Amino acid sequence: AQKVTQAQTEISVVEKEDVTLDCVYETRDTTYYLFWYKQPPSGELVFLIRRNSFDEQNEISGRYSWNFQKSTSSFNFTITASQVVDSAVYFCALKGAQKLVFGQGTRLTINP
Amino acid sequence: EAQVTQNPRYLITVTGKKLTVTCSQNMNHEYMSWYRQDPGLGLRQIYYSMNVEVTDKGDVPEGYKVSRKEKRNFPLILESPSPNQTSLYFCAAGSRDTGELFFGEGSRLTVL
Repeated sequence: AQKVTQAQTEISVVEKEDVTLDCVYETRDTTYYLFWYKQPPSGELVFLIRRNSFDEQNEISGRYSWNFQKSTSSFNFTITASQVVDSAVYFCALKGAQKLVFGQGTRLTINP
Repeated sequence: EAQVTQNPRYLITVTGKKLTVTCSQNMNHEYMSWYRQDPGLGLRQIYYSMNVEVTDKGDVPEGYKVSRKEKRNFPLILESPSPNQTSLYFCAAGSRDTGELFFGEGSRLTVL
């Protein structure tokens, strides 16, 4: 069975702090994809990144970075120098052969 | 522009009155899926479809029906809605091969 766990339900930090959102997954598939989505207060799901299981290279996009480690089945997301606009719910997701499974989400609040 | 379109975006209805939420994609993707989002539960898969005339149950299919008569459309049918189906619904379309996945803007349904 596939499972995604985001242990942090809520995180609150002060603007400009760095923050890491944890994601741990379980799957028996050898080929799979991992995703991060952002859901701002307006409700839509904004795609942030997709990573396939054969590509463990870390990725950086501006203030965002992702650390994929198959050895620990983790795909963590770090925001550097956080801003108020980063406030949102963030979802980690896993897609195996068929199903896409989401974690329960982490509500991130960036305080000015 | 890649697009997944859901309608209606907002709906208030009463128990037992059949309704359909439409979902249409313009990317010719094989994979489509429906999710519901509830507080504290994240996004849960209702049904998914790997191609035309192929549909499968997700984790919470009870009370819902779907059909995939053509590639671009994947309507979600609530034959006899109940208050516990009050939720935010998302449709997604994507490629089975690349893992690319796009979401609609969401449909907020309230059943009284």
